[in-house]
Amino acid sequence: TQLLEQSPQFLSIQEGENLTVYCNSSSVFSSLQWYRQEPGEGPVLLVTVVTGGEVKKLKRLTFQFGDARKDSSLHITAAQPGDTGLYLCSISSGSARQLTFGSGTQLTVLP
Amino acid sequence: SQTIHQWPATLVQPVGSPLSLECTVEGTSNPNLYWYRQAAGRGLQLLFYSVGIGQISSEVPQNLSASRPQDRQFILSSKKLLLSDSGFYLCAWSVGLTTGEKLFFGSGTQLSVL
Repeated sequence: TQLLEQSPQFLSIQEGENLTVYCNSSSVFSSLQWYRQEPGEGPVLLVTVVTGGEVKKLKRLTFQFGDARKDSSLHITAAQPGDTGLYLCSISSGSARQLTFGSGTQLTVLP
Repeated sequence: SQTIHQWPATLVQPVGSPLSLECTVEGTSNPNLYWYRQAAGRGLQLLFYSVGIGQISSEVPQNLSASRPQDRQFILSSKKLLLSDSGFYLCAWSVGLTTGEKLFFGSGTQLSVL
């Protein structure tokens, strides 16, 4: 069973600050997804990364997939209160029709 | 475009009562369908997934069951709810078996068993 750890578990920062959250797996995986979830709603897909070393940017969000395909990071530049939410990563082993989710990073951006 | 509908949004049920949560997907054919449960502010636990009508895989032994009577309909049920069944239930769909499989979630059902 693959283990997926996210850190930090909680993060509270001021508007305008930068931050990085991490997702680490106990084994190699074929793809990784990042989701953001707001209270009382379902998670919304932000990005999928599939190539080792890949970097993707989505406005102020930068996603990086580790060279060894066992970890990923999400960096937010100049955080805004609208970035507040639970950030979840998930991994696919490639053959199963199921994904493994991390326990999430709860981000709070204070105005 | 594809949409997913999940209802009800909130539900309060007494212990021992039955449960039926419904999820439907529009705008796609033969989707993979999933039921997840989420503890408050935490990650998702896969309960069931289905790759076709009548095909259900259970991931965690529990008090719940799932059915897929139609291609785009997925139902989560229980005959007798337990206190431990409380939680946030999410339905999701996906297509494709290649790497990078993505899930699209419904808005969830907050279930409180009292």
